[in-house]
Amino acid sequence: NAGVTQTPKFRVLKTGQSMTLLCAQDMNHEYMYWYRQDPGMGLRLIHYSVGEGTTAKGEVPDGYNVSRLKKQNFLLGLESAAPSQTSVYFCASKRTGEYTEAFFGQGTRLTVV
Amino acid sequence: AQSVSQHNHHVILSEAASLELGCNYSYGGTVNLFWYVQYPGQHLQLLLKYFSGDPLVKGIKGFEAEFIKSKFSFNLRKPSVQWSDTAEYFCAVNAGNMLTFGGGTRLMVKP
Repeated sequence: NAGVTQTPKFRVLKTGQSMTLLCAQDMNHEYMYWYRQDPGMGLRLIHYSVGEGTTAKGEVPDGYNVSRLKKQNFLLGLESAAPSQTSVYFCASKRTGEYTEAFFGQGTRLTVV
Repeated sequence: AQSVSQHNHHVILSEAASLELGCNYSYGGTVNLFWYVQYPGQHLQLLLKYFSGDPLVKGIKGFEAEFIKSKFSFNLRKPSVQWSDTAEYFCAVNAGNMLTFGGGTRLMVKP
């Protein structure tokens, strides 16, 4: 099993460009999450989804959009990239239930110049 | 909304020293608590979790954590660290649909 797969792994964008990060999971998990990881700030939740067709805002949603058209995929979009969005982005998925473990992808390192 | 605080941002220890990393959370209801570890260049992996029962939970690689409800704390401990424990450690709270992480603690173990 691949688990949680993120593409791409690295990307450099110019300010104002747009891009989409893809997260795919093969564990039939209901819940999926997008986080950004910045030094000293831990992981901050951007958006999450509790099932196909649903999305919700996390702590830092501004400048990002998401879609969950298929249960196994959770897309994170940057409409107009800004240098402040330079970060490492992690996707995670888990089964329903507050006690269940989240599984993480390998991360996407995004640099906006 | 819940929040998680980790007191130590950086910890440096020598091999065989004991480790305790602090974690406090704020949430008024029932919580489920986790510690994750991120080794250099890798993704986060689960160390241990607490959701009910014995407040002292044991995880992988000799780690354990104690849930103290009255102090809203879930501190991580290991009696004797190894060089291979060098990593970043994250405490997390799952309440409702949101999984919230603390700021992380970078642990460096000197050989």
